[in-house]
Amino acid sequence: QKEVEQNSGPLSVPEGAIASLNCTYSDRGSQSFFWYRQYSGKSPELIMSIYSNGDKEDGRFTAQLNKASQYVSLLIRDSQPSDSATYLCAVKVQAGTALIFGKGTTLSVSS
Amino acid sequence: GAVVSQHPSRVICKSGTSVKIECRSLDFQATTMFWYRQFPKQSLMLMATSNEGSKATYEQGVEKDKFLINHASLTLSTLTVTSAHPEDSSFYICSATDRGQQPQHFGDGTRLSIL
Repeated sequence: QKEVEQNSGPLSVPEGAIASLNCTYSDRGSQSFFWYRQYSGKSPELIMSIYSNGDKEDGRFTAQLNKASQYVSLLIRDSQPSDSATYLCAVKVQAGTALIFGKGTTLSVSS
Repeated sequence: GAVVSQHPSRVICKSGTSVKIECRSLDFQATTMFWYRQFPKQSLMLMATSNEGSKATYEQGVEKDKFLINHASLTLSTLTVTSAHPEDSSFYICSATDRGQQPQHFGDGTRLSIL
């Protein structure tokens, strides 16, 4: 069974700090990797997508992928209270298939 | 960016009622749409995959006769919860994709409450 694992948290960081969110996946053939942010009562919002090994940066967000270790992470620099949300790691095994979601990590940024 | 519209955003109805939820892709052709359900403090669980013009593929444990899915066009998919009961109360979210490897874009979700 294909699985995506995340630490549920909560992960608490002070404002301005770096938040590090981690995710592992079980299917070595997975092709696409995504991080979504979900506020309470809302639907997920795409933050980052990454398809190849290495780092991908977009503003304060950096996604890191290591396919050999089956590991993907999200770094949030200069964390803000508005970043407080649940972050969902999602994996797509192959084109046309649905995303497989982790249970999410709750991030709390204190001012 | 791609936009997915979901309607209604909230439904409160009596047990035994059937409820229809619409999911529309507004600026792209969604060859595939997905329906998820999310219970409180749980992750999104895939219910079914809907391909335009063909029957939906349901995940194990999801009753296809209870959750009717129609994907008659490249911009619209509907989920009908038939004879809903309190245990069907949940947050239902649709998503759509226009190209196989591209990110899925989510609708705003429908919070269904069955009394």
